[in-house]
Amino acid sequence: KNEVEQSPQNLTAQEGEFITINCSYSVGISALHWLQQHPGGGIVSLFMLSSGKKKHGRLIATINIQEKHSSLHITASHPRDSAVYICAVKLTYGQNFVFGPGTRLSVLP
Amino acid sequence: DVKVTQSSRYLVKRTGEKVFLECVQDMDHENMFWYRQDPGLGLRLIYFSYDVKMKEKGDIPEGYSVSREKKERFSLILESASTNQTSMYLCASSLSPGIYYEQYFGPGTRLTVT
Repeated sequence: KNEVEQSPQNLTAQEGEFITINCSYSVGISALHWLQQHPGGGIVSLFMLSSGKKKHGRLIATINIQEKHSSLHITASHPRDSAVYICAVKLTYGQNFVFGPGTRLSVLP
Repeated sequence: DVKVTQSSRYLVKRTGEKVFLECVQDMDHENMFWYRQDPGLGLRLIYFSYDVKMKEKGDIPEGYSVSREKKERFSLILESASTNQTSMYLCASSLSPGIYYEQYFGPGTRLTVT
């Protein structure tokens, strides 16, 4: 069983739809990182959180430490949101992150 | 803004060649990481370094070595490239210590070994 799992694996949405991507993990963590990877490879940090909720523009990330679960929401989705979204957890001990497999999002105009 | 640069975006090498991938960050970060990314497998940690001349093995270090002679530069070395090392290689850096530090990634190097 992978330590970090994401669902769905692939997601296609129409422009304007509300999108939710889920991340669950089975290890002790001190923080969780949501990342965005566009075609071509570059990875951009979206959020780093250890509790509660964070919002940046149309993006919202939540985490429930007790349930070992995080969600990334995109409101009013746009084709430029099309990317792979990656969840990564920072282990309680050590400097490492463990990465989920990613969710590929396509937003159609 | 933090900038992490990698020496090449695309690289084609032959089996058996020695390959050097360079990564430079400009924000005085202590930690630097090398990952490879393969379809369906996500990012996997090859090596990381938390200080100059210090290195730790990640999940898949076999066939790789690293060098960190200066704080800003972290090199990944494929001693004898093999076709199963064809992959996207990503470098990242972060501050240390503290739990609330983000990783900043370079643009990636897509390596093909023929």
